[in-house]
Amino acid sequence: EAGVVQSPRYKIIEKKQPVAFWCNPISGHNTLYWYLQNLGQGPELLIRYENEEAVDDSQLPKDRFSAERLKGVDSTLKIQPAELGDSAVYLCASSLRQGAGELFFGEGSRLTVL
Amino acid sequence: SQKIEQNSEALNIQEGKTATLTCNYTNYSPAYLQWYRQDPGRGPVFLLLIRENEKEKRKERLKVTFDTTLKQSLFHITASQPADSATYLCALDSTGFQKLVFGTGTRLLVSP
Repeated sequence: EAGVVQSPRYKIIEKKQPVAFWCNPISGHNTLYWYLQNLGQGPELLIRYENEEAVDDSQLPKDRFSAERLKGVDSTLKIQPAELGDSAVYLCASSLRQGAGELFFGEGSRLTVL
Repeated sequence: SQKIEQNSEALNIQEGKTATLTCNYTNYSPAYLQWYRQDPGRGPVFLLLIRENEKEKRKERLKVTFDTTLKQSLFHITASQPADSATYLCALDSTGFQKLVFGTGTRLLVSP
């Protein structure tokens, strides 16, 4: 069974440029998460989807970040414009359903903003 | 304020010994707590989940305890191996609706 797939793995951009990350969760997983992980820190939740509905986006900086999960499968996280402080790893995870427990993470997308 | 604390310093042990990692939390009443392993440049991988009504959970060489009175979970790796070297993250459900909050992780280094 394929795991959570993320792309790109690495992205280097200049500040003020836009960037987008893509995530394909495990087939059949209704819940999808985007986490941000800074160096030496644990993952921090940005947004959680149940199917196509964003049920928790309280941590998402909505002035520059946006996300979508069309048709309740793949998801895209966008930053526009990027700032130096956005340099981090963006992790996507999925789980079978809300409250199921185990999260399956992708390998992450490492963003460097110059 | 709410906190999840894990030792920020790396834990260095010799192969064959038991590694014990600590996760302390304040101002949370989690229904369950999870442990994940993360290797450099990779995403976290789920290891174990323990519920609030469970004192202990085992899986092969791994053991997790959960003391809701002390607000602490201990994660043990027995007969540790160099391949166990990684960062271990604890995470707890802060709301009962799968809103996982992660600790900062503890790096474990197992020397041959």
